[in-house]
Amino acid sequence: GIQVEQSPPDLILQEGANSTLRCNFSDSVNNLQWFHQNPWGQLINLFYIPSGTKQNGRLSATTVATERYSLLYISSSQTTDSGVYFCAVERDTGFQKLVFGTGTRLLVSP
Amino acid sequence: ETGVTQSPTHLIKTRGQQVTLRCSSQSGHNTVSWYQQALGQGPQFIFQYYREEENGRGNFPPRFSGLQFPNYSSELNVNALELDDSALYLCASTGLNEQFFGPGTRLTVL
Repeated sequence: GIQVEQSPPDLILQEGANSTLRCNFSDSVNNLQWFHQNPWGQLINLFYIPSGTKQNGRLSATTVATERYSLLYISSSQTTDSGVYFCAVERDTGFQKLVFGTGTRLLVSP
Repeated sequence: ETGVTQSPTHLIKTRGQQVTLRCSSQSGHNTVSWYQQALGQGPQFIFQYYREEENGRGNFPPRFSGLQFPNYSSELNVNALELDDSALYLCASTGLNEQFFGPGTRLTVL
């Protein structure tokens, strides 16, 4: 099956710093989503981005489908950005099965 | 618009018992998926229901079963619980191409 790798696995930032999270996937996909999982376990949708670039406030994402990677940019990080960031992809299998990456655990300190 | 809801939030069972978890999909969404997230890992796809029929399944044994009702709500049933079934169980409903997750049910098997 498709493999999804995220880097770095762990990231510690000071408040106000910028960061880039990467997601590599091993095969073509027809869906890619970025999620933020908060300390209570809730997965929060950040972006649906199978290709191209999107921005939402301090967050932006770029997916280069032909090169099989996606990047999530966090600018001016805040303590509330702490948590685990997951990239998840879906192939055209006839049903919508998301395959999640291993996650990046982010800690933003004041 | 109501988001995805799940019940109960927490549950403690003993080995060999059976458990039923419940999910209400987001308004207008007719596809529901279930995922298992073990501690420190990304969510793993269990199965998906579309219009009351299972239309996709991950690598989980038959003791994991489900139902979807005419109002698109869903149940996940797990029989003969094992210690390794301890995890966060997440339900997601699909709108257009994007999946939206509920807050999860944390199951502990003793």
